[in-house]
Amino acid sequence: EAQVTQNPRYLITVTGKKLTVTCSQNMNHEYMSWYRQDPGLGLRQIYYSMNVEVTDKGDVPEGYKVSRKEKRNFPLILESPSPNQTSLYFCASSTMGSITEAFFGQGTRLTVV
Amino acid sequence: SQQGEEDPQALSIQEGENATMNCSYKTSINNLQWYRQNSGRGLVHLILIRSNEREKHSGRLRVTLDTSKKSSSLLITASRAADTASYFCATDRPWGNDMRFGAGTRLTVKP
Repeated sequence: EAQVTQNPRYLITVTGKKLTVTCSQNMNHEYMSWYRQDPGLGLRQIYYSMNVEVTDKGDVPEGYKVSRKEKRNFPLILESPSPNQTSLYFCASSTMGSITEAFFGQGTRLTVV
Repeated sequence: SQQGEEDPQALSIQEGENATMNCSYKTSINNLQWYRQNSGRGLVHLILIRSNEREKHSGRLRVTLDTSKKSSSLLITASRAADTASYFCATDRPWGNDMRFGAGTRLTVKP
């Protein structure tokens, strides 16, 4: 089954404690991206990757890091989380960037206290 | 910054009625897509319309695109309670590699 898998689904952490949210897709997609969703703001893109070792900033990259060492994986790293990063995070993948439909993971609800 | 803005923010209708949601955007686009999100879950792709297309159908969905007005509409005909969800439009820009979403329309279909 074609899918994008994020882990964990829920996470509560404390300010400053480094964390990683994993994202994996099994569709051999070149394009992967991370979004955060906040009430009233829709989805905002954090980072995206066109292929292995190729990443770029989206609209809200501050406080986040990503890496793309393998085609299937695109982890999101918060080196020093802060309460304003409390949000619902989604990973997505697609072929040919935004020209085709994007497949989304089920989301990671992060709370930073 | 958001590219698309959906209107209305919330819509409540009875089962069997049609639901119309609108999306306006600011810059030129290659494509416009509509996604659906059930509460707190991942988004699911509904339909893609290219900038050189004016209308597209998929089952009970009808999407129109007016590039001169920079707007699109999503019509769901004969709505069902299971259509209750949030609906988002997403656009990509000719010079960009990103896909931008609006804030969504929350649709409630009452049985």
